[in-house]
Amino acid sequence: QLVLTQSPSASASLGASVKLTCTLSSGHSNYAIAWHQQQPEKGPRYLMRLNSDGSHRKGDGIPDRFSGSSSGAERYLTISSLQSEDEADYYCQTWGAGVVVFGGGTKLTVL
Amino acid sequence: QVQLVESGGGVVQPGRSLRLSCAASGFNFSNYAMHWVRQAPGKGLEWVALIYYDGSNKYYADSVKGRFTISRDNSKDTMYLQMDSLRAEDTAVYYCARDGTGSYDRVEYWGQGALVTVSS
Repeated sequence: QLVLTQSPSASASLGASVKLTCTLSSGHSNYAIAWHQQQPEKGPRYLMRLNSDGSHRKGDGIPDRFSGSSSGAERYLTISSLQSEDEADYYCQTWGAGVVVFGGGTKLTVL
Repeated sequence: QVQLVESGGGVVQPGRSLRLSCAASGFNFSNYAMHWVRQAPGKGLEWVALIYYDGSNKYYADSVKGRFTISRDNSKDTMYLQMDSLRAEDTAVYYCARDGTGSYDRVEYWGQGALVTVSS
């Protein structure tokens, strides 16, 4: 079964960097994913598509501070030079065999 | 620029029906697959349904299979979600979303959402 696992919460200081993790279920380690951001009281926004080899393609207007990487079944979103507006929920998404799946989301707090 | 505008949300009693619409603009609608994704109050994102660019394939989450029907009218640049036999647990903000391809891949653009409340 295709499942994405995310830690419920993360925190980092203003100006620092943070690395969020999304883990693919067993047997799906070669799947691409997408990262989405949802700021408080807003709709989600697409950040990037991230492949198993770590290559990624960002959405329109996404700052260079956002980057992606991969290792095995893990997919990462790194945000550098954290700003207050980066405080948001971050969701990973994948797809295959007629289903689309979202991870449970990580709530990022900027201290 | 890509715009997706949902309409048709509201309050409905359990067991009744509701139809959501999504009006698209700013891109060639007939080239892209489209999704419905929902978010219950205080919860995460849940994928609901997907329709291919030409309507030839449709997929549903198990939680709505047999009750919801996704469709599109490429001549009107509009997608629909017919929701029947509604339950309290269907209460959520429903987002219209555009895929990055004609079949299914990443969700690339999102609408602002329409609130559906199922309550007696």
